Amino acid sequence: AQKITQTQPGMFVQEKEAVTLDCTYDTSDPSYGLFWYKQPSSGEMIFLIYQGSYDQQNATEGRYSLNFQKARKSANLVISASQLGDSAMYFCAMRELGGAGNMLTFGGGTRLMVKP
Amino acid sequence: DTAVSQTPKYLVTQMGNDKSIKCEQNLGHDTMYWYKQDSKKFLKIMFSYNNKELIINETVPNRFSPKSPDKAHLNLHINSLELGDSAVYFCASSQPGQGVYNEQFFGPGTRLTVL
Repeated sequence: AQKITQTQPGMFVQEKEAVTLDCTYDTSDPSYGLFWYKQPSSGEMIFLIYQGSYDQQNATEGRYSLNFQKARKSANLVISASQLGDSAMYFCAMRELGGAGNMLTFGGGTRLMVKP
Repeated sequence: DTAVSQTPKYLVTQMGNDKSIKCEQNLGHDTMYWYKQDSKKFLKIMFSYNNKELIINETVPNRFSPKSPDKAHLNLHINSLELGDSAVYFCASSQPGQGVYNEQFFGPGTRLTVL
């Protein structure tokens, strides 16, 4: 079974509007962390935001926020005021405390395209 | 200064050859990783390694082997290359702490093309 699911292979958003990228996860480990990475067309992986399973508040980093709904096992990324430079692949990832080797498990990614 | 670097950036080679990709990190991290990103952009962990323990993803063929001459380097050796090995390979590093927070810093990737 997929541990991380991103159901939106591609999305369009108008510049300056907000957009939500979906991520659902599956784990029985009570201690886990959720990460979002951005991969622009140049190929590098850029860390955006982190949410721990015990964090009481949703994480925020500038224009990025994480809508964490633990009971639903979802960790959606919200980008406010989209910019042309936000066009990229976005990956949701999870690390389980009980998992071996500190590894991250990634979802399939969502390609976001920002329209001018 | 580049935190995690990989060489080469591009690698084109023939089936059956043996090749290596080098990775170096100057962050002082204890753990390094190799990921494979296929043509559909799916990222999959291959190895996790620190100076004590190598964790191998069970789906990785034994033609792939990580070699770590020291804590700052984790090279990837691939024997008998196959067409399906064509992908982008990412090296990453992290400094695990007490909890689950474990930001991984990625290298720029190496695009391997097997002809």
